[in-house]
Amino acid sequence: AQSVTQLGSHVSVSEGALVLLRCNYSSSVPPYLFWYVQYPNQGLQLLLKYTSAATLVKGINGFEAEFKKSETSFHLTKPSAHMSDAAEYFCAVSDSAGNTPLVFGKGTRLSVIA
Amino acid sequence: NAGVMQNPRHLVRRRGQEARLRCSPMKGHSHVYWYRQLPEEGLKFMVYLQKENIIDESGMPKERFSAEFPKEGPSILRIQQVVRGDSAAYFCASSRQSEQYFGPGTRLTVT
Repeated sequence: AQSVTQLGSHVSVSEGALVLLRCNYSSSVPPYLFWYVQYPNQGLQLLLKYTSAATLVKGINGFEAEFKKSETSFHLTKPSAHMSDAAEYFCAVSDSAGNTPLVFGKGTRLSVIA
Repeated sequence: NAGVMQNPRHLVRRRGQEARLRCSPMKGHSHVYWYRQLPEEGLKFMVYLQKENIIDESGMPKERFSAEFPKEGPSILRIQQVVRGDSAAYFCASSRQSEQYFGPGTRLTVT
């Protein structure tokens, strides 16, 4: 069975500081990994996805994530936080790139301090 | 191209009533997923449907919950005899081949 662990339910950074949101996964097959962002009272928007191509994945809004098989990690980073990045971030895993349900972590709420 | 649409956005039901949640997938998408988000939790998969077929309902509670995706019209998630524990945000996602696009969700409150 697949699972996702997001370390830190709440992360707070200063505007302009590095953003690092942690995600570790468990999967018995090569995983497909995703990061989604959820703004208040809205649905989820895909930030980026890893589907067994390049291990460093670039997404929207300046975010990127690196797949590290040895560490079973897929941490999300952004060099410089902006106030508009304040939101809930979810890491998810599936066992294929096709039509399969996603398994989500519990989420990390990012706060950005001016 | 309109995104995934869900209605209603907010739904209040008394205990014992029925809740019907609707999801219209993106144009050209024939795969629909329903997820539930409880407070302070991530999204949990409930059911995966294609047109007129339930593909995977492993996350669906065995009683009171049902889902359909008819040939014509939106997908419906139906909850009979709602209880307070059903209060949550219910999200629908649709896909054509792989990437899932999420709707804005329906927030169900059971009083």
